[in-house]
Amino acid sequence: DIQMTQSPSILSAFVADRVTITCRASQNINYWLAWYQQKPGKAPKLLIYKASSLESGVPSRFSGSGSGTAFTLTISSLQPDDFATYYCQQYSLYPYTFGQGTRLEIK
Amino acid sequence: QVQLQQWGTGLLKPSETLSLTCAVYGESFSGYFWTWIRQPPNKGLEWIGEINHSGSTNYNPSLKTRVTISVDSSKNQFSLKLRSLTAADTAIYWCARFRIPTPGLDYWGQGTRVAVSS
Repeated sequence: DIQMTQSPSILSAFVADRVTITCRASQNINYWLAWYQQKPGKAPKLLIYKASSLESGVPSRFSGSGSGTAFTLTISSLQPDDFATYYCQQYSLYPYTFGQGTRLEIK
Repeated sequence: QVQLQQWGTGLLKPSETLSLTCAVYGESFSGYFWTWIRQPPNKGLEWIGEINHSGSTNYNPSLKTRVTISVDSSKNQFSLKLRSLTAADTAIYWCARFRIPTPGLDYWGQGTRVAVSS
């Protein structure tokens, strides 16, 4: 299986900060990567697909980059609604696998 | 507006079989992969498997011997069966739509909490 490793596991930040979450794949997945946001008790929400494409309806402060084995999710100016847990997912090879998650906390 | 509505038994005993169904409303059933994902309490997401409208499946090898995903395209529904349950199968189970060719899990069910306990 392809292992997805996110860092950091917990990130504390202020409203209006710029934050970056990293996701690394154990082997080359090209750009077959998605990012999701999950709030407690809710289903994950698709933010980014194919590493850098913004899902319709998602604010433009979210952006994704990377290819191969290293990827990032950047939030340019944190809003109160952004405090949540973020997951990356690879869909290059079965079984599709997720990172362990990054919990974004308000400082 | 696409909606996924899921249902099934929430409290089961060890060795029993989990059975969940997900109905899809508001969109064609073909052209997507219909997926099951689970999340143990306070843990991350695990991909269980997927099926398309014609019944082609892909499973997570870690669960493959115990899992069956099936589809009823006439009703726009797909189902999950997980056999020989243990406490480690306690989780929230989600159904979701995997979209192609702009791939991602874009619509999700409301989730079903499943507890396995004697």
